[in-house]
Amino acid sequence: DAKTTQPPSMDCAEGRAANLPCNHSTISGNEYVYWYRQIHSQGPQYIIHGLKNNETNEMASLIITEDRKSSTLILPHATLRDTAVYYCIVRVGRANNLFFGTGTRLTVIP
Amino acid sequence: ETGVTQSPTHLIKTRGQQVTLRCSSQSGHNTVSWYQQALGQGPQFIFQYYREEENGRGNFPPRFSGLQFPNYSSELNVNALELDDSALYLCASSLENNYGYTFGSGTRLTVV
Repeated sequence: DAKTTQPPSMDCAEGRAANLPCNHSTISGNEYVYWYRQIHSQGPQYIIHGLKNNETNEMASLIITEDRKSSTLILPHATLRDTAVYYCIVRVGRANNLFFGTGTRLTVIP
Repeated sequence: ETGVTQSPTHLIKTRGQQVTLRCSSQSGHNTVSWYQQALGQGPQFIFQYYREEENGRGNFPPRFSGLQFPNYSSELNVNALELDDSALYLCASSLENNYGYTFGSGTRLTVV
């Protein structure tokens, strides 16, 4: 699976949009972009995934560039409960493993 | 529906001992994966079970082994424990290796 690069940490003011970037310049045509997050002392939580189109669900939006070499996870109105480590993962279809990397630690500030 | 449950939540073992960790998958899920998460690191894939058969393995030695039962629950066994085995062990389940995995809260293993 292709590897990803994320900033180690970011801050965001409560109520503002949190934009978390991810670079995946070696992504292959059949690899999906996944986002998970891990709140302290809990297991990772699935957020969203996409192949090449932008995606939106009740938690977040995923914007993938046209060349698919980078993506941005958007939390539209960050709350204190969104403070977590966010992992960007590329994965071939339904391959059996997820390569997590070290993620971005997002801190939402009151 | 119930989520993924893991037991025990915490465990302390002595180097050289053996340990068994347990996982009950989310209702209806037939695929279980195990991950190891060292402090400050992202989870690392150990192996996956699908319909009671191993369906892929990460870079872990044979002393890490597993089982999946007919009800899709699973066990992770680690023999000859080493200090570096101290970590959070996470179980994740999914349906037919589908896109989204549901993770449990993990078992924190400390080897002394």
